[in-house]
Amino acid sequence: DQQVKQNSPSLSVQEGRISILNCDYTNSMFDYFLWYKKYPAEGPTFLISISSIKDKNEDGRFTVFLNKSAKHLSLHIVPSQPGDSAVYFCAASGYDYKLSFGAGTTVTVRA
Amino acid sequence: DTGVSQNPRHKITKRGQNVTFRCDPISEHNRLYWYRQTLGQGPEFLTYFQNEAQLEKSRLLSDRFSAERPKGSFSTLEIQRTEQGDSAMYLCASSPTTGALSYTFGSGTRLTVV
Repeated sequence: DQQVKQNSPSLSVQEGRISILNCDYTNSMFDYFLWYKKYPAEGPTFLISISSIKDKNEDGRFTVFLNKSAKHLSLHIVPSQPGDSAVYFCAASGYDYKLSFGAGTTVTVRA
Repeated sequence: DTGVSQNPRHKITKRGQNVTFRCDPISEHNRLYWYRQTLGQGPEFLTYFQNEAQLEKSRLLSDRFSAERPKGSFSTLEIQRTEQGDSAMYLCASSPTTGALSYTFGSGTRLTVV
């Protein structure tokens, strides 16, 4: 039962432009949402998170938006840089701190 | 602190053999998690420990899988009688009790069962 879904397996964007990654979830008990970034042969690295009581969180070039009514969140990367090329995972958690991950979106930033 | 360390990085084993992986978490982190990632999928929760107590096991963790965390320090994940479907990346993560969602993942152990 896939509770977190990333429907776009890949995204290609030109350097300097905006990358928008989308994520949908089904479990209304989730109250914390996170994005992780993963390079090949490395573990996922925490990028940014948002609590369910907020609808936006910003950290430098990264902004996460949460639409609870639609059970949808998105990650905006502005401007995109070549070092942003990686797999991005959306994850969600309830009270028990276990993470449910999406399948990931591979981002390629073109020079 | 060097982060979360996992050994070995790669393991190739024949079907039916037993394998054991080790995870050394960040020393001050009370919680330790095991996740499994297969090709094209995100990590899936397997089990987690609060100090030495194993608090939850996923139904993904069949009877052939066992995990321990003696003395609340490092953890081991053992798979008995490996099957080809066990081939995956096994990820360990740790977090402090407060701010428990601030996971730090290790680089994983890639298991290939031939």
